[in-house]
Amino acid sequence: AQRVTQPEKLLSVFKGAPVELKCNYSYSGSPELFWYVQYSRQRLQLLLRHISRESIKGFTADLNKGETSFHLKKPFAQEEDSAMYYCALSGAGTASKLTFGTGTRLQVTL
Amino acid sequence: EPEVTQTPSHQVTQMGQEVILRCVPISNHLYFYWYRQILGQKVEFLVSFYNNEISEKSEIFDDQFSVERPDGSNFTLKIRSTKLEDSAMYFCASRRTSAYEQYFGPGTRLTVT
Repeated sequence: AQRVTQPEKLLSVFKGAPVELKCNYSYSGSPELFWYVQYSRQRLQLLLRHISRESIKGFTADLNKGETSFHLKKPFAQEEDSAMYYCALSGAGTASKLTFGTGTRLQVTL
Repeated sequence: EPEVTQTPSHQVTQMGQEVILRCVPISNHLYFYWYRQILGQKVEFLVSFYNNEISEKSEIFDDQFSVERPDGSNFTLKIRSTKLEDSAMYFCASRRTSAYEQYFGPGTRLTVT
């Protein structure tokens, strides 16, 4: 079975502070991991995928297979980062459904 | 940039009625999905669809649910006899054959009264 855990429902940080949104996963094979972001009243948007190892909007995420984690980080939070963030896992198989975590609401305040 | 579209944005229906939720996936995508999110809960997988047949379905996707690709562009989710607990946000997603990332539509909010 595949499972994604995001332990924090809400993370509140000040503008300019570092951000780390935690994600742990459980999967027996080699997963594909993603971060999706949902801004207020908008669709789920792909933010990052682990395989590309890129930085989007200043966010990065590293897959740690030993700790089965895929934490999302940003060194300096901006107001426009306030949104709901979902970690998601895609396992093996051609259909590759996504299994989502419960999401973390990031609130960036002045 | 092409996007997945969904109609309607909000559907209100009475318990026991049939509803059809519509999605237009991105044109060169071949894998299609439906997910739902009950208020306050996480996004849950319902069904995946490829090559005109269901690839995988979850326990939620029982006999009351069906999917169809009636033409070259639409992908529909039908709920035959809605229940109160079907009230949720329903998201359609699609992806290319060569990549795992899925692209989501804006969702349809279904309210069953």
